[in-house]
Amino acid sequence: GAVVSQHPSRVICKSGTSVKIECRSLDFQATTMFWYRQFPKQSLMLMATSNEGSKATYEQGVEKDKFLINHASLTLSTLTVTSAHPEDSSFYICSARGLRGRDEQYFGPGTRLTVT
Amino acid sequence: AQSVTQLGSHVSVSEGALVLLRCNYSSSVPPYLFWYVQYPNQGLQLLLKYTSAATLVKGINGFEAEFKKSETSFHLTKPSAHMSDAAEYFCAVSATYNTDKLIFGTGTRLQVFP
Repeated sequence: GAVVSQHPSRVICKSGTSVKIECRSLDFQATTMFWYRQFPKQSLMLMATSNEGSKATYEQGVEKDKFLINHASLTLSTLTVTSAHPEDSSFYICSARGLRGRDEQYFGPGTRLTVT
Repeated sequence: AQSVTQLGSHVSVSEGALVLLRCNYSSSVPPYLFWYVQYPNQGLQLLLKYTSAATLVKGINGFEAEFKKSETSFHLTKPSAHMSDAAEYFCAVSATYNTDKLIFGTGTRLQVFP
């Protein structure tokens, strides 16, 4: 089956620093990748959608200058949380969709970010 | 606008008992509905999906769900729980078949006791 990995699985950073999270599709090419955020006991909330080689589309209320998304290849997307603050602490999950537009989304295992 | 509500953040059943996880949706357009399962430290995995064909949808691992428009529900069931079914289950709705914009419920954690 289609496998999506995320790295790191957990990260702790100091307030004011930036942290990068990688999302990779391991055995398929992903034209579209999605980034979600999940707070404890809450839904996954879509943050942004990225298509390979183009700028990401951010959901309303998501600061694009704070959450930088790069989708430079068909197997890799990165989310960089810039100038992180404790309120950015959350569980970040990516998903990837294959070349065929009707494919389902395949989800990564998530990254737990803690900002101290 | 679309939304889903999952009633019960925790459900506990005995092994061999019926599993029923509830999901109600709200949608201004005909919905596409999904159930995902998340095992510890793993990504979400699609269990089944409703895409306006048959109202009773069968998925993997013996799960099924029935779309009931009159009740705006898409409850997930399994006749006999296994220990391996213990996981977090998410209901989701989308306005399009290709799942561009999935709206998730808050999840239900299923515990299975021997």
